[in-house]
Amino acid sequence: EAQVTQNPRYLITVTGKKLTVTCSQNMNHEYMSWYRQDPGLGLRQIYYSMNVEVTDKGDVPEGYKVSRKEKRNFPLILESPSPNQTSLYFCASSPEVGNQPQHFGDGTRLSIL
Amino acid sequence: AQSVTQLGSHVSVSEGALVLLRCNYSSSVPPYLFWYVQYPNQGLQLLLKYTSAATLVKGINGFEAEFKKSETSFHLTKPSAHMSDAAEYFCAVRRGDSYDKEIFGPGTSLSVIP
Repeated sequence: EAQVTQNPRYLITVTGKKLTVTCSQNMNHEYMSWYRQDPGLGLRQIYYSMNVEVTDKGDVPEGYKVSRKEKRNFPLILESPSPNQTSLYFCASSPEVGNQPQHFGDGTRLSIL
Repeated sequence: AQSVTQLGSHVSVSEGALVLLRCNYSSSVPPYLFWYVQYPNQGLQLLLKYTSAATLVKGINGFEAEFKKSETSFHLTKPSAHMSDAAEYFCAVRRGDSYDKEIFGPGTSLSVIP
């Protein structure tokens, strides 16, 4: 089954404690992306990757890091989380073709205390 | 640059009534347009897409949308709402001339009243 898998689905942690949210896709997609979803703001892109070892900032990259060492994986790293990063996070992937939609994971709800 | 607006952050309809969710876009080049649906505790799923073929696009679950270039609109409709249609709906735009990121609207929450 084609899917994007995120882990964990839920996480409550404290300010400053480094965390990683993993994302893996099994569709051999070139393009992967991270979004955060906040009420009234829709989805805002954090980082994206056009292919292995190629990453770039989205609209809200501050406080986040990513890496793309393998085509299937695109982890999101919060080196020193802060309460304003409490949000719902989605990973997505798509072929590098403009008319193809993105496939989304089920989301990770992060609470930073 | 591309942008998307969705009029109405929350829409309520009665079961069996027409569903109309509005989406207007801005794009400097012919766009690709998408509607996604998000059910509680789930990711976004594609409802339908416009990719410069037919202007009236049919999607899953009885939804359809019409691309109107003159109005820069891509409104989503369904003739008869069902309780299971209650969800968050997002319109998104992407450049149609080269691969680029997708820009999402703020979303519209649809409630269906029995």
